[in-house]
Amino acid sequence: EVLLLESGGGVQQPGGSLRLSCAASGFTFGSYAMSWVRQAPGKGLEWVSSISVNGDETYDADSVKGRFTISRDNSKNTLYLQMHSLRAEDTALYYCAKRFSGYIDFWGQGTLVTVSS
Amino acid sequence: EIVLTQSPATLSLSPGERATLSCRASQHVSRNLVWYQQKPGQAPRLLIYGASTRATGIPARFSGSGSGTDFTLTISSLQSEDFAVYYCQQHYTWPPVYPFGQGTKLEIK
Repeated sequence: EVLLLESGGGVQQPGGSLRLSCAASGFTFGSYAMSWVRQAPGKGLEWVSSISVNGDETYDADSVKGRFTISRDNSKNTLYLQMHSLRAEDTALYYCAKRFSGYIDFWGQGTLVTVSS
Repeated sequence: EIVLTQSPATLSLSPGERATLSCRASQHVSRNLVWYQQKPGQAPRLLIYGASTRATGIPARFSGSGSGTDFTLTISSLQSEDFAVYYCQQHYTWPPVYPFGQGTKLEIK
C-alpha cells in the first residue's frame, strides 16, 4: 500500500521559513518523480513544485520560484519542501504527491502551513 | 501556459441522476488529461487518467471521454458518496508544473 506521510507544517510569521517532509512507503521511492501540491482554505488545487527521479531536475510554480526548494533523499525515502520568505498567501494544506507518467496517482493527507503574524 | 476551464462551477443533482462535467483546455493536450475527486476533509483521489481510463478501484459508473481540448467526466447514476469536488488536470506540457482546473462542485439537490 502506498503511503505518503507529510510533516513539518505549523504557524510561521511572514518572512519566516519552514521545511516540510514527506515520508514515503509502499513503493520504490527512487523510481518515481514526486511533487508538492497545495490547497488554500476553501480554494482549489495549486501545483507547487516537481522533482525528477534522481533529484537533478526541479521545477517550481511562478508563485513560489526563488522562495521554495524541492529536494529528495532516496536513501531515506523522503521528499522535502524548504520554504523561505513565507507570505500570507502561502497559507494552505500542502500535499505530497507521487507521480506516474506525469500525473499524480497517489496523494498524502497533507500538512497545514499557516502564515500569520 | 495552458488554462483548464471546468463547467459548471456547481452542479446540483439528485441520487440516481446522470452527471456530466466538462473540462476545456486552452490549447491541445492530446489525451493527457486526468480527473480527480476530492471529498470534504480528504485528499484528492485519482479517478480517470489518459482521458478515459479508470484508475484502480474506481466504479464503472465513472467514465471519461474527449481528446485535444474538450473533455467530459460522466457519472452514470449518482450515488451518495459521489457528491464531491472534481478537478481536471493536464500533463501534456513541459516543464512538469501542471495547473488544475478550478473544480466542479457536485452537490445534492
